[in-house]
Amino acid sequence: GESVGLHLPTLSVQEGDNSIINCAYSNSASDYFIWYKQESGKGPQFIIDIRSNMDKRQGQRVTVLLNKTVKHLSLQIAATQPGDSAVYFCAEGTYKYIFGTGTRLKVLA
Amino acid sequence: SQTIHQWPATLVQPVGSPLSLECTVEGTSNPNLYWYRQAAGRGLQLLFYSVGIGQISSEVPQNLSASRPQDRQFILSSKKLLLSDSGFYLCAWTPGSGNTIYFGEGSWLTVV
Repeated sequence: GESVGLHLPTLSVQEGDNSIINCAYSNSASDYFIWYKQESGKGPQFIIDIRSNMDKRQGQRVTVLLNKTVKHLSLQIAATQPGDSAVYFCAEGTYKYIFGTGTRLKVLA
Repeated sequence: SQTIHQWPATLVQPVGSPLSLECTVEGTSNPNLYWYRQAAGRGLQLLFYSVGIGQISSEVPQNLSASRPQDRQFILSSKKLLLSDSGFYLCAWTPGSGNTIYFGEGSWLTVV
């Protein structure tokens, strides 16, 4: 069946460094991908999305890369800040959305 | 602008008691609606989704049910709660397929 998973359950990054969070998906027909940030006790918040006709998309301090050949998605956070500490989820979907288990990002001062 | 609300925010229920979580979306029409559950420290599990009034798709067979009595209202229910029903329940919506999904604030359910 369809699945979306993450390679690293926890990622520790020094403040100011760049963070890279990876995600693998199995449904080659997926055409829409989203990254979310979830802080403790809150609902996930949208960060950035990308459609399958793109390889890269940039936002404010964040970049999403999509490699359809190997069905891999990544989120890059530039100049990581303490406020970036959270759990990050990737998701793929069209009418229903399947989420991975999440990666916890810890920012070290 | 569109907003989503779900309630109650927290509840503690005894095993075998009923459950009703409500979710409403404002500022849009004919949204796709979703219920997810998140166990502590885990990912999001899709429970139900709905693409229209009275149209409910179940992803996980269990003692929960969902209903959509109005266009922008989505209700999650149970007749008899189990301990394993404890978790963080999230309602979400999208304006249509292939669009960003937006989440509510979540409801913490503890079954004791």
